[in-house]
Amino acid sequence: GAVVSQHPSWVICKSGTSVKIECRSLDFQATTMFWYRQFPKQSLMLMATSNEGSKATYEQGVEKDKFLINHASLTLSTLTVTSAHPEDSSFYICSARVVAGAENIQYFGAGTRLSVL
Amino acid sequence: GQNIDQPTEMTATEGAIVQINCTYQTSGFNGLFWYQQHAGEAPTFLSYNVLDGLEEKGRFSSFLSRSKGYSYLLLKELQMKDSASYLCAVRDRNAGNMLTFGGGTRLMVKP
Repeated sequence: GAVVSQHPSWVICKSGTSVKIECRSLDFQATTMFWYRQFPKQSLMLMATSNEGSKATYEQGVEKDKFLINHASLTLSTLTVTSAHPEDSSFYICSARVVAGAENIQYFGAGTRLSVL
Repeated sequence: GQNIDQPTEMTATEGAIVQINCTYQTSGFNGLFWYQQHAGEAPTFLSYNVLDGLEEKGRFSSFLSRSKGYSYLLLKELQMKDSASYLCAVRDRNAGNMLTFGGGTRLMVKP
């Protein structure tokens, strides 16, 4: 399958700081990437859809000014959690869609565990 | 909107077969996916069905019935490493082909 690289894998930060998470498609170009958040023992919740060269589409209830998404190239999307607070502590996972002929599958990065103290 | 249901937890014995069911309701069905997720890790792609029938991939098989809004993931010759959460996800063409995930089924394989 396709490879999606996400880093850092784990971040511990103080309340009020900003954290940037990178998501790269390593062996394919991804016009669309997705950012999910997952709390312990819960399923993945889509936060936003990142489109190369345009603004991200945020799901209802997700603050776009708090979770800044930039998809500047076909292989890189970044999520910046601004002024992080303890309630932002979660597992953040990016995903990229591979569209090749009839195949249209989402592959996931390894995830970033964010702990805000 | 979409409604995806799967059991919360299942337990099975090493070497046995287990079937994880998933039912869904969606307006623009365009494929059903199964992912495996070990604790603390990201989901890994297992299988994909867009037409009715059975897709077999080694020890894992996935079945789809679009008329019934039903799928199952079948795991054969269970191994301890199969203990994980299994996520059913539906793609909806009326929602930009986005995936919506079920709550996941936590499978525990016992010796």
